[in-house]
Amino acid sequence: KAGVTQTPRYLIKTRGQQVTLSCSPISGHRSVSWYQQTPGQGLQFLFEYFSETQRNKGNFPGRFSGRQFSNSRSEMNVSTLELGDSALYLCASSLGSGAGEKLFFGSGTQLSVL
Amino acid sequence: DAKTTQPTSMDCAEGRAANLPCNHSTISGNEYVYWYRQIHSQGPQYIIHGLKNNETNEMASLIITEDRKSSTLILPHATLRDTAVYYCIVIYTGANSKLTFGKGITLSVRP
Repeated sequence: KAGVTQTPRYLIKTRGQQVTLSCSPISGHRSVSWYQQTPGQGLQFLFEYFSETQRNKGNFPGRFSGRQFSNSRSEMNVSTLELGDSALYLCASSLGSGAGEKLFFGSGTQLSVL
Repeated sequence: DAKTTQPTSMDCAEGRAANLPCNHSTISGNEYVYWYRQIHSQGPQYIIHGLKNNETNEMASLIITEDRKSSTLILPHATLRDTAVYYCIVIYTGANSKLTFGKGITLSVRP
């Protein structure tokens, strides 16, 4: 079974631009969550989608948004990029979002904002 | 979610067991203990999780104390490829998507 696939693997943008990252979950998984990882803040939760609906949201500004499609694939968008948005963005999928679920992570998209 | 405390780093010799401790003294009855690890530049990898009983899978064993205030992840025969940052996380039912990873413990396996 293929794992979680994130594209692109690396991305370089400039301040003020916007970016869209893509995540394809493991086949059959309906929950997709997104995380931002930086050396200073560690791994922080962005949001979670289940069956095309946003279920949970972390403490990030409205510039960060996401969506999930009917095939469970998900995208996240960051508008008006800032230098501080440089990070590894990770996507994780799971069968559901109940107790005892295992999260399976992709390799991430490394975003650099210049 | 309950907080966890882990040592910053530890090392062990290749082929020996690696015992990684975690304190979660404020854990409540419905919170699970999860362990993930992250090898540099990759996404975190699920290792094991448990609620009350000890658990074992092909990767590791999880020993949870009777009062559930601490746990130990055991890698029975550590290899160089086990060098990684290991995260112990406590999470409540239905909220595992809000996983908060602390600093974790850096395990270095030496030849």
